Amino acid sequence: AQRVTQPEKLLSVFKGAPVELKCNYSYSGSPELFWYVQYSRQRLQLLLRHISRESIKGFTADLNKGETSFHLKKPFAQEEDSAMYYCASDSGTYKYIFGTGTRLKVLA
Amino acid sequence: GAGVSQSPRYKVAKRGQDVALRCDPISGHVSLFWYQQALGQGPEFLTYFQNEAQLDKSGLPSDRFFAERPEGSVSTLKIQRTQKEDSAVYLCASSLGVHNEQFFGPGTRLTVL
Repeated sequence: AQRVTQPEKLLSVFKGAPVELKCNYSYSGSPELFWYVQYSRQRLQLLLRHISRESIKGFTADLNKGETSFHLKKPFAQEEDSAMYYCASDSGTYKYIFGTGTRLKVLA
Repeated sequence: GAGVSQSPRYKVAKRGQDVALRCDPISGHVSLFWYQQALGQGPEFLTYFQNEAQLDKSGLPSDRFFAERPEGSVSTLKIQRTQKEDSAVYLCASSLGVHNEQFFGPGTRLTVL
């Protein structure tokens, strides 16, 4: 079965430190990968998708097909980055498969 | 403009009761998706509509779950004879087309006692 794995439930970093949220996927084809974010008391929203190759709010993610990874990175964490982050794959279809999420806490 | 809305935001049901959860997608969005998110988990796909046609219901966990979108706009997810394991947040998402960005609603938190 297709799977998206986020190994860390909680990641705490200090403000200004680099952040890397890990995501691995299992799919032999060419899926589209996404990062969704959920800030406190807000709805799930798209942060970025790999095909757009954009940097949103200073975050970037590179698809590594060899390692089947799509890690989310930011060089300098801000307090407002504290949120729940979900990695997702479309597994080649419209059915998004989400990871279990990583809660990022940025400490002052 | 208004985003995806869902009602009620919270629902408490006694085991065995039927519940109906409503989703109002963004106007003009053809595709509509329902997801179930259990505590501590990511959202899991339940079903997909293109306009009024339910093209995929492979994620519905049992025949107690039923979804409809009769006029291609508002959708209702109905759960009959609710069980404790149905307790979860039910998310609705809509998109312009099946491969466009999915916009999520705030969810309905269902608690079955």
